Amino acid sequence: NAGVTQTPKFQVLKTGQSMTLQCAQDMNHEYMSWYRQDPGMGLRLIHYSVGAGITDQGEVPNGYNVSRSTTEDFPLRLLSAAPSQTSVYFCASRPGFSGANVLTFGAGSRLTVL
Amino acid sequence: LAKTTQPISMDSYEGQEVNITCSHNNIATNDYITWYQQFPSQGPRFIIQGYKTKVTNEVASLFIPADRKSSTLSLPRVSLSDTAVYYCLRGANSKLTFGKGITLSVRP
Repeated sequence: NAGVTQTPKFQVLKTGQSMTLQCAQDMNHEYMSWYRQDPGMGLRLIHYSVGAGITDQGEVPNGYNVSRSTTEDFPLRLLSAAPSQTSVYFCASRPGFSGANVLTFGAGSRLTVL
Repeated sequence: LAKTTQPISMDSYEGQEVNITCSHNNIATNDYITWYQQFPSQGPRFIIQGYKTKVTNEVASLFIPADRKSSTLSLPRVSLSDTAVYYCLRGANSKLTFGKGITLSVRP
């Protein structure tokens, strides 16, 4: 049981490049989400999904796309990277759609956009 | 999105009890209050969750007053390893939003 796995751990991009941050969980969690963490800003919700085929926007969705074709995977896509997207990205999941907000987080992906 | 607010940082000494408070504006009737701990270069991890009154587990206690507009995380007898950022999270639906977190520094 690996929990939430994020890849890559580190990535450097040039402005305008595209890339996908991968997130996979093996706990059969219905809910998955992406956060970005910047100094002094805490964790901000980018996108989330309550199940396969269902996604929605969080607080800061601009510049990011997501899809949820399977229960296990929730990739985050940057179509044209900008320096403002330099951040640490965390994927998190939880079982079901309920009041229990016990999220399991991945180890994070540090992205630098030059 | 409703927000949580916390002070930015606080200091303590080993062996002391530490209380960290979070304010929740416009908390909804069915919202739970959850606290997380984050060490450098790691993802946040769940500490404790509550809805009202008091909840206690093996690592912390959570106090929630009757109006539920704030919550207090209590860490008994902190050690150096409790130095971390602590976040409160509130919500009962899908948009789970965090405050900016409070950095707790525990000194010898």
